[in-house]
Amino acid sequence: GDSVTQMEGPVTLSEEAFLTINCTYTATGYPSLFWYVQYPGEGLQLLLKATKADDKGSNKGFEATYRKETTSFHLEKGSVQVSDSAVYFCALVGGSQGNLIFGKGTKLSVKP
Amino acid sequence: ETGVTQSPTHLIKTRGQQVTLRCSSQSGHNTVSWYQQALGQGPQFIFQYYREEENGRGNFPPRFSGLQFPNYSSELNVNALELDDSALYLCASSLDPTRRGNTGELFFGEGSRLTVL
Repeated sequence: GDSVTQMEGPVTLSEEAFLTINCTYTATGYPSLFWYVQYPGEGLQLLLKATKADDKGSNKGFEATYRKETTSFHLEKGSVQVSDSAVYFCALVGGSQGNLIFGKGTKLSVKP
Repeated sequence: ETGVTQSPTHLIKTRGQQVTLRCSSQSGHNTVSWYQQALGQGPQFIFQYYREEENGRGNFPPRFSGLQFPNYSSELNVNALELDDSALYLCASSLDPTRRGNTGELFFGEGSRLTVL
């Protein structure tokens, strides 16, 4: 069945460091792909999305490109801030129900 | 624009009890989905409601049930609570799943944290 695999966390970076969180997926066809972010004690917020191959989603300095050749949707940011500390979830629309399927999440901690 | 709201935010129950969680969808959204997020895990799909009917269900037993009301708000009911039901329960609303151009984006509430003792 459809699935999402994210790099294991936690990830700890210094402020202004470069961030990459890897995400690969298994799916039938070409589903829409998402990155959601969850700040401590809160629900999930959509960070960015891409709906077709080669699309690049971007928001708040974060970017991810839909790569069908490698079935990947890696999240990147050139210079992280302390306020980016959160858990990041990669997800796709899939399964027999057309619901969101999430990865396990990657916890990011940014130190000043 | 009113976002997704959930209640209660926190609650504690004991094994065997029943619980009802409530959700108001974002303005203009007629579809509600429920997800269970265990500690340290990604959210898992429970079910979706559209036009007051269940419109898809994940791998959860029948003691997880729900309702959707004419104003698109929704309830999640869990009977015979078990310790493993302890989790953050997330409600998400979205546009009509049959709507052309719908990319499947969900808008989440802040969740109801259930602890079962």
